[in-house]
Amino acid sequence: AQSVSQHNHHVILSEAASLELGCNYSYGGTVNLFWYVQYPGQHLQLLLKYFSGDPLVKGIKGFEAEFIKSKFSFNLRKPSVQWSDTAEYFCAVIGGSQGNLIFGKGTKLSVKP
Amino acid sequence: GAGVSQSPRYKVTKRGQDVALRCDPISGHVSLYWYRQALGQGPEFLTYFNYEAQQDKSGLPNDRFSAERPEGSISTLTIQRTEQRDSAMYRCASSLADFSSNEQFFGPGTRLTVL
Repeated sequence: AQSVSQHNHHVILSEAASLELGCNYSYGGTVNLFWYVQYPGQHLQLLLKYFSGDPLVKGIKGFEAEFIKSKFSFNLRKPSVQWSDTAEYFCAVIGGSQGNLIFGKGTKLSVKP
Repeated sequence: GAGVSQSPRYKVTKRGQDVALRCDPISGHVSLYWYRQALGQGPEFLTYFNYEAQQDKSGLPNDRFSAERPEGSISTLTIQRTEQRDSAMYRCASSLADFSSNEQFFGPGTRLTVL
């Protein structure tokens, strides 16, 4: 069965620090990968996605992620975080042909002003 | 354009009671998914529909859980004889179709607490 691992449970950064959140997945075939974000009090929303092509994917709000097939990784990065990036971040992979998402446990990011 | 809505937003019930959670997807979206998220965990797949047909219910934890989408739009997730371990956030998502390239749009969730 496919699975997703997020290495960091809680990350605390100061504003302007660089961010990298780790994500590894278990499936060895063709994968579709996602990062979702949940800001406090809001819905889960899509940050970025990878299906094929350029392994460096750019998303909203200055986030990007790099798909490294050999490492089964899809790490999320941002060069300079802001207080408004405080949220919980979930990495996900499509589970099979039905399109249901398999999520990691999430990483809570706290940015200190 | 309205997004995915869910009701109620919060539900507190006593153990043994039945609850019904509602999801109203984005108009025109064919696929509808239910997920459950326990505290400190990511969302876990429960079941999904294309139109009114339940395509996969492999994630439903036991036969106390059921879901329907009779007219291919609004869906109801029903939990019978609730137990404390059912306490979680229940999330609904919809997408244009169940192709993997389609983005799933999530609703606000229903926070269920079973006392």
